[in-house]
Amino acid sequence: KAGVTQTPRYLIKTRGQQVTLSCSPISGHRSVSWYQQTPGQGLQFLFEYFSETQRNKGNFPGRFSGRQFSNSRSEMNVSTLELGDSALYLCASSVGHTSEAFFGQGTRLTVV
Amino acid sequence: QQQVKQSPQSLIVQKGGIPIINCAYENTAFDYFPWYQQFPGKGPALLIAIRPDVSEKKEGRFTISFNKSAKQFSLHIMDSQPGDSATYFCAASIGTSGANNLFFGTGTRLTVIP
Repeated sequence: KAGVTQTPRYLIKTRGQQVTLSCSPISGHRSVSWYQQTPGQGLQFLFEYFSETQRNKGNFPGRFSGRQFSNSRSEMNVSTLELGDSALYLCASSVGHTSEAFFGQGTRLTVV
Repeated sequence: QQQVKQSPQSLIVQKGGIPIINCAYENTAFDYFPWYQQFPGKGPALLIAIRPDVSEKKEGRFTISFNKSAKQFSLHIMDSQPGDSATYFCAASIGTSGANNLFFGTGTRLTVIP
């Protein structure tokens, strides 16, 4: 069974640009959660989507947004990129929001 | 404010040793406490998890000890192997056992020397 797939794996963007990251969950999984991982702040929760609805949101500015499609694939968007947005962005999928979650390998975003 | 505090930051043990990683929390509403293992270039993988109505849970060589009154929990790795060298994260959440709104500790980098 294929795991959680995140694309692209690596991305370099310029400050002020916007970026869209993609997450394809494991087949049959309807919940997708996004996390930001940095050396300084560790793993921080961004948001969770279930059946195309955002169910929970972490403490990030409105520049961070996401969506989920009917096939459960999810995208997150960061607008007006700042240097501090450089991080590994991870998504995790689960059947429901109370079942074991599996993380993807992440997208490494570098803002220059 | 770090909701889950993890120590030590790094740990080096000999093969066969028993590394212990500790975590503490303040929010008594937390009711799910998982541990994740992360290798370089990979996403975190769930190792073992516990709920506050249980004081200990064992899965293979991994054991969680949970002290509800002290608001602390720890991971013990029995008979550690070089392949266990990774970064370990404790986490906590409320009302879910998935990846929704997990509060992670800062991680412990474990090195097991052959």
